[in-house]
Amino acid sequence: KNQVEQSPQSLIILEGKNCTLQCNYTVSPFSNLRWYKQDTGRGPVSLTIMTFSENTKSNGRYTATLDADTKQSSLHITASQLSDSASYICVVPLGLDSGGYQKVTFGIGTKLQVIP
Amino acid sequence: GAVVSQHPSWVICKSGTSVKIECRSLDFQATTMFWYRQFPKQSLMLMATSNEGSKATYEQGVEKDKFLINHASLTLSTLTVTSAHPEDSSFYICSARAAVPLAGARGGTDTQYFGPGTRLTVL
Repeated sequence: KNQVEQSPQSLIILEGKNCTLQCNYTVSPFSNLRWYKQDTGRGPVSLTIMTFSENTKSNGRYTATLDADTKQSSLHITASQLSDSASYICVVPLGLDSGGYQKVTFGIGTKLQVIP
Repeated sequence: GAVVSQHPSWVICKSGTSVKIECRSLDFQATTMFWYRQFPKQSLMLMATSNEGSKATYEQGVEKDKFLINHASLTLSTLTVTSAHPEDSSFYICSARAAVPLAGARGGTDTQYFGPGTRLTVL
């Protein structure tokens, strides 16, 4: 069964601390893995897209890793800021949409709260 | 670059009325636009995919006669919720896929750019 599971479901950390969010997937065939950030009441924003051959990719204070053998990905946030409070969603496209592009299906993600 | 706007950002309407939500790609042409719906504490659910100049493709369980989608140009798609009821109250988000890869796009033409969303409340 094609699935994407994230952990933890929610997380509270102090401002300035680091944290790591996990994503396990069983989607096959695998093409790429995407991390999105969604602020409350806003649309999601793409953080990273990683293909099979990429092990790590950074975007500012966000660093994503991918282990295609164990089918695991992590998103590491360094020196967290209050503005990092959001839901972080791991997406592994499966299938094609009507335009012939990869179909993106969103999960609930991990809800991160950074407190002062 | 790659800005997608939605209008209105929020709307309150009476049950039985119709509501139109606009989604615009401001600085790029979008061959495909997507409409999502998100209920509180739930994930984004794809409602339909619209390609410019053709009929929208609706996901299973989404009523095409209730949620009318018009993608008349490469920069504008509209979602009309017809005869809205309280259970249609939700957060509606559109996204657009660029016709050509945009600078810095992670994923080339496969990249979706999301709008800020429209909060619909039906009384």
